[in-house]
Amino acid sequence: AQKVTQAQTEISVVEKEDVTLDCVYETRDTTYYLFWYKQPPSGELVFLIRRNSFDEQNEISGRYSWNFQKSTSSFNFTITASQVVDSAVYFCALKDSNYQLIWGAGTKLIIKP
Amino acid sequence: DSGVTQTPKHLITATGQRVTLRCSPRSGDLSVYWYQQSLDQGLQFLIHYYNGEERAKGNILERFSAQQFPDLHSELNLSSLELGDSALYFCASSAPTGSWTEAFFGQGTRLTVV
Repeated sequence: AQKVTQAQTEISVVEKEDVTLDCVYETRDTTYYLFWYKQPPSGELVFLIRRNSFDEQNEISGRYSWNFQKSTSSFNFTITASQVVDSAVYFCALKDSNYQLIWGAGTKLIIKP
Repeated sequence: DSGVTQTPKHLITATGQRVTLRCSPRSGDLSVYWYQQSLDQGLQFLIHYYNGEERAKGNILERFSAQQFPDLHSELNLSSLELGDSALYFCASSAPTGSWTEAFFGQGTRLTVV
């Protein structure tokens, strides 16, 4: 069965620290996509990244980077030099052959000034 | 701004009542998805429509129903409401270029059943 695990319920760091959010997934499919979404205090869900199962290249977008490792079924998200505006709940999600998003429980990230 | 519009933003209603949540997808998107976010269940997929037709059903209760109209907007109807139906309901849409594309979410409708 498909499953996404975000073991970190809440992380609190001081501004400018680097922080990594973990995501571990389970699927029997060979073709699947992984996603990260951000939910700021205002409540909306903001798309951050999509990565397919055949592309294990790491991706960097500004202060954000993603590390996809099929060998460990992980798709971790790192924020470098965190800022207060990064405070949010971050969700990892999996879409496989059912074409439905399976969500992790989310990690609440608190960035203290 | 994702381009997905949901109304109303907040809704307070009594148990046993019926409500309708409305969603306008991004321009050009044919797929509309409904999700429920609650504290105990997290984010749950409810239903997916593509160009007016139901494509997939998730954990949607029989008291809930949805439809997508010819102009592609969608409505989620919740009836015989219970306290446990209190949640944030999201609508999302995605481009018609394939089933793997990312979904863009509206701001959600916060439903409170009292």
